[in-house]
Amino acid sequence: RKEVEQDPGPFNVPEGATVAFNCTYSNSASQSFFWYRQDCRKEPKLLMSVYSSGNEDGRFTAQLNRASQYISLLIRDSKLSDSATYLCVVNRDDKIIFGKGTRLHILP
Amino acid sequence: EPEVTQTPSHQVTQMGQEVILRCVPISNHLYFYWYRQILGQKVEFLVSFYNNEISEKSEIFDDQFSVERPDGSNFTLKIRSTKLEDSAMYFCASRRDSQGEAFFGQGTRLTVV
Repeated sequence: RKEVEQDPGPFNVPEGATVAFNCTYSNSASQSFFWYRQDCRKEPKLLMSVYSSGNEDGRFTAQLNRASQYISLLIRDSKLSDSATYLCVVNRDDKIIFGKGTRLHILP
Repeated sequence: EPEVTQTPSHQVTQMGQEVILRCVPISNHLYFYWYRQILGQKVEFLVSFYNNEISEKSEIFDDQFSVERPDGSNFTLKIRSTKLEDSAMYFCASRRDSQGEAFFGQGTRLTVV
């Protein structure tokens, strides 16, 4: 079983829709959690950290459920510029582990 | 805004040659990483480096690979005797502590011919 698993995608979604990404991690010793965004042939960039209390940044909401070992990302009112690959990232000790990513296409 | 810088942006090398990929992490960061991403595939962990030594490495990081922090600013990845399957984007990352966000360089695209 992969340590970090994400929806395989791709997601093709009309502009303005709400998109939900899911991620599970297998190692309960994982300590911190992030969502990164990666544009084609570019480096991953931090979108937001994820906390058990949930956190929101504008149109983006992230949630962590430690009991279920589940992380989510919600994008509301999606824009064309949201088209990218969304990477679930888990930290264990000093190792940063990436999910395979879910590709999102926002359709005009 | 401080950033991780990598050079070169693109390296083409012949199979069997050695390459050195260079990174300058953010100056007050203590943890350093190399990742690779084969085109269309996931970002794969290669190695982590802390306190002047390797703290963890993946199965990919075999004897062909080595890392070094030769001075206070550079962090290098050496690949000896490159193979065709080493062709990938190599990303360097750094972070200040073991739990915080990691910042990635723009990557070096390595093409082995």
